[in-house]
Amino acid sequence: DTEVTQTPKHLVMGMTNKKSLKCEQHMGHRAMYWYKQKAKKPPELMFVYSYEKLSINESVPSRFSPECPNSSLLNLHLHALQPEDSALYLCASSQGTGAKGYTFGSGTRLTVV
Amino acid sequence: AQKVTQAQTEISVVEKEDVTLDCVYETRDTTYYLFWYKQPPSGELVFLIRRNSFDEQNEISGRYSWNFQKSTSSFNFTITASQVVDSAVYFCALSALRTGGFKTIFGAGTRLFVKA
Repeated sequence: DTEVTQTPKHLVMGMTNKKSLKCEQHMGHRAMYWYKQKAKKPPELMFVYSYEKLSINESVPSRFSPECPNSSLLNLHLHALQPEDSALYLCASSQGTGAKGYTFGSGTRLTVV
Repeated sequence: AQKVTQAQTEISVVEKEDVTLDCVYETRDTTYYLFWYKQPPSGELVFLIRRNSFDEQNEISGRYSWNFQKSTSSFNFTITASQVVDSAVYFCALSALRTGGFKTIFGAGTRLFVKA
């Protein structure tokens, strides 16, 4: 079983909906990440949280809103998405800065209709 | 600027063949980290190996081996005696320190098909 748990595994939402993606880890990692991966493309960094503070935002549109309620949880709130936002959203965590590599979750496959 | 190039989009081999996945990187940083990740159809990226820029020692782990050469900015990955379970997309990645923390970028990936 993966040590980073993402829910839901699949999500279909309309362009006017509000939904949230959840990510949880219990490895004591203090850095957590959101990546977006389109089909047949590499993952692209969206956000980095370090010690529960947002440290990197890769110029992501405001319709994506991250939240880190505590050191184990990471949310991604979605509102007014576009069909082109359909993708696999991957959460990852790491010890410290991430120089030792990441542990990824299985992802949420999002479809915007 | 940082860049990771995986020139091989897809590779198809027959089981028990050896296969090498190429990775070439570009960076101006003197301290950086290189990784290989495996992404099976289930979607989760699985960490395989990490190398820092000061450690060019090659590594072998079972059927997997990695060759890191700073002189050619390459970090190639070889699977010996491939198996059907090795079928996946393999990503090479580069991480360096930026404002806010380490930022990791991924190559485009190489899709490996291993046929029985």
